[in-house]
Amino acid sequence: GESVGLHLPTLSVQEGDNSIINCAYSNSASDYFIWYKQESGKGPQFIIDIRSNMDKRQGQRVTVLLNKTVKHLSLQIAATQPGDSAVYFCAEPGSNAGGTSYGKLTFGQGTILTVHP
Amino acid sequence: NAGVMQNPRHLVRRRGQEARLRCSPMKGHSHVYWYRQLPEEGLKFMVYLQKENIIDESGMPKERFSAEFPKEGPSILRIQQVVRGDSAAYFCASSPLGQEGQYFGPGTRLTVT
Repeated sequence: GESVGLHLPTLSVQEGDNSIINCAYSNSASDYFIWYKQESGKGPQFIIDIRSNMDKRQGQRVTVLLNKTVKHLSLQIAATQPGDSAVYFCAEPGSNAGGTSYGKLTFGQGTILTVHP
Repeated sequence: NAGVMQNPRHLVRRRGQEARLRCSPMKGHSHVYWYRQLPEEGLKFMVYLQKENIIDESGMPKERFSAEFPKEGPSILRIQQVVRGDSAAYFCASSPLGQEGQYFGPGTRLTVT
């Protein structure tokens, strides 16, 4: 069946390093992806999204890369800070019978990012 | 510009009682989604609503759970006759259109004793 999943469940980095969090998806028809950050005790926070007509999108200190050939998505965080410590999820909207994406999100398992000072 | 609001933030219920969780979407958003998150797990979709309509309830348990999003007022997720397995964090999200990124509220943490 369709799924969105992550390669690594945990990632530890030193403050100032760059972090890369990966995500694999199985539905080749997927056309929209979102990265969320969830801090302990809080709701998921929208970080960045990307549509399938792009292979790269940049935000503030974050970059999302999309490789449709291998169905792989990554989130890069530059100069990681202790405040970046959280669980990161990739997510993908669902599809109806006609194949059109709509709002239901399927979340990956999540990667725990720990940033050491 | 207030974000998605949920209340209560914490809710304790005894087995057999009813739980009502409320969600007010961001201003201008007409699409609401409910998700459930068990400890150390990802979020699982429950239901997708627009004003006065349930669009997709494929993630809702068949019994005891219901949701509404009336023309006026917040969206309500209602759990009747709660059991211990209902203990979880329940998140609401909203979006202006069904295909855009969703913005989440802080969640309601339900504990069933």
